[in-house]
Amino acid sequence: DAGVIQSPRHEVTEMGQEVTLRCKPISGHNSLFWYRQTMMRGLELLIYFNNNVPIDDSGMPEDRFSAKMPNASFSTLKIQPSEPRDSAVYFCASSLRQEETQYFGPGTRLLVL
Amino acid sequence: GDSVTQMEGPVTLSEEAFLTINCTYTATGYPSLFWYVQYPGEGLQLLLKATKADDKGSNKGFEATYRKETTSFHLEKGSVQVSDSAVYFCALSAPGGANSKLTFGKGITLSVRP
Repeated sequence: DAGVIQSPRHEVTEMGQEVTLRCKPISGHNSLFWYRQTMMRGLELLIYFNNNVPIDDSGMPEDRFSAKMPNASFSTLKIQPSEPRDSAVYFCASSLRQEETQYFGPGTRLLVL
Repeated sequence: GDSVTQMEGPVTLSEEAFLTINCTYTATGYPSLFWYVQYPGEGLQLLLKATKADDKGSNKGFEATYRKETTSFHLEKGSVQVSDSAVYFCALSAPGGANSKLTFGKGITLSVRP
Protein backbone atom coordinates (compact mmCIF):
# COMPACT_ATOMS: atom_id res chain seq x y z
CA ASP A 1 0.00 0.00 0.00
CA ALA A 2 1.29 3.48 -0.85
CA GLY A 3 0.23 5.05 2.43
CA VAL A 4 -1.12 8.55 2.77
CA ILE A 5 0.20 10.78 0.00
CA GLN A 6 0.62 14.52 0.42
CA SER A 7 1.70 17.16 -2.05
CA PRO A 8 3.63 19.30 -2.30
CA ARG A 9 6.25 18.23 0.25
CA HIS A 10 7.59 21.76 0.52
CA GLU A 11 5.97 25.07 -0.33
CA VAL A 12 7.44 28.54 -0.13
CA THR A 13 5.14 31.43 -0.90
CA GLU A 14 4.72 35.10 -0.25
CA MET A 15 2.25 36.64 2.13
CA GLY A 16 -1.13 37.16 0.50
CA GLN A 17 -0.84 34.29 -1.93
CA GLU A 18 -3.21 31.36 -2.04
CA VAL A 19 -1.84 28.00 -0.94
CA THR A 20 -3.43 24.62 -1.66
CA LEU A 21 -2.28 21.46 0.07
CA ARG A 22 -3.37 18.09 -1.22
CA CYS A 23 -3.92 14.69 0.35
CA LYS A 24 -4.73 11.24 -0.91
CA PRO A 25 -5.79 8.93 1.94
CA ILE A 26 -5.22 5.21 2.11
CA SER A 27 -7.71 3.39 -0.11
CA GLY A 28 -10.67 2.12 1.88
CA HIS A 29 -10.20 4.49 4.81
CA ASN A 30 -13.34 6.39 5.71
CA SER A 31 -11.91 9.15 7.89
CA LEU A 32 -9.45 11.88 7.00
CA PHE A 33 -7.77 14.37 9.29
CA TRP A 34 -5.79 17.58 8.74
CA TYR A 35 -3.26 18.63 11.39
CA ARG A 36 -0.87 21.53 11.79
CA GLN A 37 2.38 21.23 13.71
CA THR A 38 4.47 24.13 14.98
CA MET A 39 7.14 24.45 17.63
CA MET A 40 5.00 26.81 19.65
CA ARG A 41 1.65 25.03 19.56
CA GLY A 42 2.60 21.42 18.90
CA LEU A 43 0.21 19.19 16.95
CA GLU A 44 -3.23 20.70 16.34
CA LEU A 45 -6.23 19.04 14.72
CA LEU A 46 -7.68 21.44 12.17
CA ILE A 47 -10.57 19.48 10.70
CA TYR A 48 -11.66 15.93 10.04
CA PHE A 49 -13.98 14.21 7.62
CA ASN A 50 -15.97 11.02 7.90
CA ASN A 51 -17.20 9.51 4.64
CA ASN A 52 -16.25 12.77 2.88
CA VAL A 53 -18.39 14.87 5.23
CA PRO A 54 -16.74 17.43 7.54
CA ILE A 55 -17.48 16.39 11.13
CA ASP A 56 -15.52 18.86 13.24
CA ASP A 57 -13.84 22.01 11.93
CA SER A 58 -13.49 23.73 15.29
CA GLY A 59 -9.71 23.65 14.95
CA MET A 60 -9.63 25.70 11.76
CA PRO A 61 -7.93 28.94 12.80
CA GLU A 62 -10.04 31.40 10.84
CA ASP A 63 -11.95 31.99 7.65
CA ARG A 64 -8.76 32.09 5.62
CA PHE A 65 -8.60 28.31 6.01
CA SER A 66 -10.93 25.97 4.15
CA ALA A 67 -10.92 22.23 3.49
CA LYS A 68 -12.79 20.06 1.06
CA MET A 69 -13.12 16.37 0.35
CA PRO A 70 -14.89 15.99 -2.98
CA ASN A 71 -14.47 12.22 -3.02
CA ALA A 72 -13.08 9.38 -0.94
CA SER A 73 -9.62 9.58 -2.47
CA PHE A 74 -8.82 13.28 -2.35
CA SER A 75 -8.85 16.22 0.01
CA THR A 76 -7.51 19.77 -0.09
CA LEU A 77 -6.64 22.34 2.55
CA LYS A 78 -6.59 25.87 1.22
CA ILE A 79 -5.23 29.03 2.82
CA GLN A 80 -6.28 32.30 1.21
CA PRO A 81 -4.70 34.74 1.77
CA SER A 82 -1.65 33.20 3.46
CA GLU A 83 0.21 34.92 6.29
CA PRO A 84 3.67 34.34 7.79
CA ARG A 85 2.11 32.89 10.96
CA ASP A 86 0.68 30.07 8.84
CA SER A 87 4.20 28.70 8.40
CA ALA A 88 4.12 25.16 9.76
CA VAL A 89 4.14 21.51 8.79
CA TYR A 90 0.69 20.36 7.72
CA PHE A 91 -0.11 16.67 8.08
CA CYS A 92 -2.90 14.65 6.59
CA ALA A 93 -3.91 11.36 8.22
CA SER A 94 -6.50 8.72 7.46
CA SER A 95 -8.09 5.89 9.38
CA LEU A 96 -10.50 3.09 8.73
CA ARG A 97 -12.94 4.63 11.19
CA GLN A 98 -12.63 7.96 12.98
CA GLU A 99 -11.68 6.50 16.37
CA GLU A 100 -9.15 4.00 15.13
CA THR A 101 -5.44 4.09 14.37
CA GLN A 102 -4.47 7.02 12.18
CA TYR A 103 -1.89 6.74 9.43
CA PHE A 104 -0.03 9.94 8.73
CA GLY A 105 1.36 11.30 5.52
CA PRO A 106 4.89 12.75 5.33
CA GLY A 107 3.59 16.30 5.71
CA THR A 108 3.84 19.52 3.75
CA ARG A 109 6.34 22.05 5.07
CA LEU A 110 4.90 25.50 4.38
CA LEU A 111 6.89 28.70 4.63
CA VAL A 112 5.09 32.00 4.09
CA LEU A 113 7.45 34.92 3.62
CA GLY B 1 -13.65 16.61 27.71
CA ASP B 2 -11.03 13.99 26.95
CA SER B 3 -7.43 14.93 27.57
CA VAL B 4 -3.94 13.45 27.62
CA THR B 5 -1.11 14.71 29.81
CA GLN B 6 2.50 13.86 29.10
CA MET B 7 5.53 14.56 31.22
CA GLU B 8 7.54 17.64 30.36
CA GLY B 9 10.51 17.26 28.11
CA PRO B 10 12.94 17.09 26.49
CA VAL B 11 14.54 13.90 27.73
CA THR B 12 18.18 13.10 27.06
CA LEU B 13 19.58 9.64 27.78
CA SER B 14 22.73 7.70 27.10
CA GLU B 15 22.56 4.64 24.87
CA GLU B 16 21.39 1.48 26.70
CA ALA B 17 19.70 3.51 29.45
CA PHE B 18 16.22 2.64 30.71
CA LEU B 19 13.41 4.82 29.42
CA THR B 20 10.12 5.79 31.01
CA ILE B 21 7.82 8.40 29.52
CA ASN B 22 4.77 9.13 31.63
CA CYS B 23 1.28 9.55 30.21
CA THR B 24 -2.00 10.00 32.06
CA TYR B 25 -5.44 10.56 30.64
CA THR B 26 -8.92 11.79 31.39
CA ALA B 27 -11.79 10.29 29.46
CA THR B 28 -15.34 9.09 29.77
CA GLY B 29 -15.97 5.43 29.26
CA TYR B 30 -13.22 3.03 28.24
CA PRO B 31 -10.86 4.61 25.75
CA SER B 32 -8.27 2.94 23.58
CA LEU B 33 -4.74 4.20 24.21
CA PHE B 34 -1.91 4.77 21.75
CA TRP B 35 1.71 5.77 21.51
CA TYR B 36 2.83 7.43 18.29
CA VAL B 37 6.42 8.24 17.33
CA GLN B 38 7.66 10.95 14.99
CA TYR B 39 11.18 10.60 13.62
CA PRO B 40 12.91 13.75 12.36
CA GLY B 41 11.38 15.04 9.16
CA GLU B 42 8.62 12.44 9.07
CA GLY B 43 4.96 12.09 9.95
CA LEU B 44 3.69 10.34 13.06
CA GLN B 45 3.50 6.57 13.03
CA LEU B 46 1.82 4.19 15.41
CA LEU B 47 4.25 2.61 17.86
CA LEU B 48 1.85 0.55 19.97
CA LYS B 49 -1.67 0.52 21.35
CA ALA B 50 -3.91 -1.08 23.96
CA THR B 51 -7.67 -1.28 23.77
CA LYS B 52 -8.73 -2.39 27.24
CA ALA B 53 -7.62 -2.32 30.86
CA ASP B 54 -4.51 -4.37 31.74
CA ASP B 55 -3.63 -4.86 28.07
CA LYS B 56 0.05 -4.44 27.27
CA GLY B 57 1.03 -2.99 23.92
CA SER B 58 4.54 -3.71 22.66
CA ASN B 59 6.67 -3.01 19.61
CA LYS B 60 10.38 -2.55 18.84
CA GLY B 61 11.28 -3.18 22.47
CA PHE B 62 8.85 -0.54 23.76
CA GLU B 63 6.02 -1.49 26.11
CA ALA B 64 3.08 0.26 27.72
CA THR B 65 0.38 -1.17 30.00
CA TYR B 66 -3.16 0.21 30.15
CA ARG B 67 -3.73 0.99 33.85
CA LYS B 68 -7.33 1.96 34.45
CA GLU B 69 -6.93 2.39 38.19
CA THR B 70 -4.28 5.06 37.71
CA THR B 71 -5.54 6.25 34.29
CA SER B 72 -2.03 5.85 32.92
CA PHE B 73 -0.25 4.43 29.89
CA HIS B 74 3.46 4.94 30.57
CA LEU B 75 5.92 4.06 27.82
CA GLU B 76 9.01 2.02 28.74
CA LYS B 77 12.04 0.55 27.05
CA GLY B 78 14.75 -1.38 28.78
CA SER B 79 17.68 -0.24 26.64
CA VAL B 80 17.37 2.74 24.30
CA GLN B 81 19.35 3.19 21.12
CA VAL B 82 20.46 6.29 19.26
CA SER B 83 17.89 5.41 16.59
CA ASP B 84 15.09 5.86 19.16
CA SER B 85 15.70 9.61 19.14
CA ALA B 86 12.32 11.04 18.15
CA VAL B 87 9.21 12.78 19.45
CA TYR B 88 6.75 10.53 21.28
CA PHE B 89 3.02 11.27 21.50
CA CYS B 90 0.51 9.61 23.78
CA ALA B 91 -3.09 9.57 22.51
CA LEU B 92 -6.50 8.25 23.40
CA SER B 93 -9.68 7.44 21.56
CA ALA B 94 -13.04 7.24 23.24
CA PRO B 95 -15.20 5.33 20.80
CA GLY B 96 -18.83 6.02 20.24
CA GLY B 97 -20.59 9.17 19.22
CA ALA B 98 -20.26 11.47 16.25
CA ASN B 99 -17.24 13.30 17.64
CA SER B 100 -15.03 10.36 18.49
CA LYS B 101 -11.46 10.94 17.41
CA LEU B 102 -7.91 10.67 18.68
CA THR B 103 -6.85 13.16 21.32
CA PHE B 104 -3.08 13.68 21.41
CA GLY B 105 -0.78 14.79 24.18
CA LYS B 106 1.76 17.54 23.53
CA GLY B 107 4.56 15.13 22.73
CA ILE B 108 7.99 14.74 24.28
CA THR B 109 11.35 14.85 22.54
CA LEU B 110 13.77 12.02 23.33
CA SER B 111 17.43 12.38 22.46
CA VAL B 112 19.73 9.39 22.90
CA ARG B 113 23.46 10.05 22.84
CA PRO B 114 26.06 7.40 21.97
